[in-house]
Amino acid sequence: ETGVTQTPRHLVMGMTNKKSLKCEQHLGHNAMYWYKQSAKKPLELMFVYNFKEQTENNSVPSRFSPECPNSSHLFLHLHTLQPEDSALYLCASSTLLAGVEDTQYFGPGTRLTVL
Amino acid sequence: QKEVEQDPGPLSVPEGAIVSLNCTYSNSAFQYFMWYRQYSRKGPELLMYTYSSGNKEDGRFTAQVDKSSKYISLFIRDSQPSDSATYLCATGNTGGFKTIFGAGTRLFVKA
Repeated sequence: ETGVTQTPRHLVMGMTNKKSLKCEQHLGHNAMYWYKQSAKKPLELMFVYNFKEQTENNSVPSRFSPECPNSSHLFLHLHTLQPEDSALYLCASSTLLAGVEDTQYFGPGTRLTVL
Repeated sequence: QKEVEQDPGPLSVPEGAIVSLNCTYSNSAFQYFMWYRQYSRKGPELLMYTYSSGNKEDGRFTAQVDKSSKYISLFIRDSQPSDSATYLCATGNTGGFKTIFGAGTRLFVKA
């Protein structure tokens, strides 16, 4: 596997379900990101992890719970979601260090539908 | 004011046309500039990257940065239907801060 991978690629869940999205990067990066992309809307940054530590949480509802066990893996745990949470969830990684440009590489995304 | 402004389009052009996509940014401390291409239902992919004012060319694509006016452009020559996608500009600085993305411009190239 190369680059940034995400599983599953598609997910349909009910509002009472609990599911998790998984992201893995094979680029040796230290930072990982979760973005939400809704139809016809810009990327919404949700969470940033740098060296496994959460450095940013952009007022994301608690029904989204991130987990970063190491610099290569990132999870997004989902529970009691709402239909408006249906979107493409993108994972990205980069070398986020002072003095280095933050060129982010994205995974293919998980298309989430909440019924 | 948003840190990066980008016209969402859509922009529709005939095949073979020269396409001009543009962004403005507000923070003069931004040092590097990128363009991402995103096909429908896919993740964005890095298309071009530049670190200074001026032009950078890669095949049919030219990225142009004017730091004095805080204006960045992407030109596509001899556009093809396969260029139909959303193009996102992005910028940031090397102070260890994350990249800021524009909203993206949807481009349609008609055969």
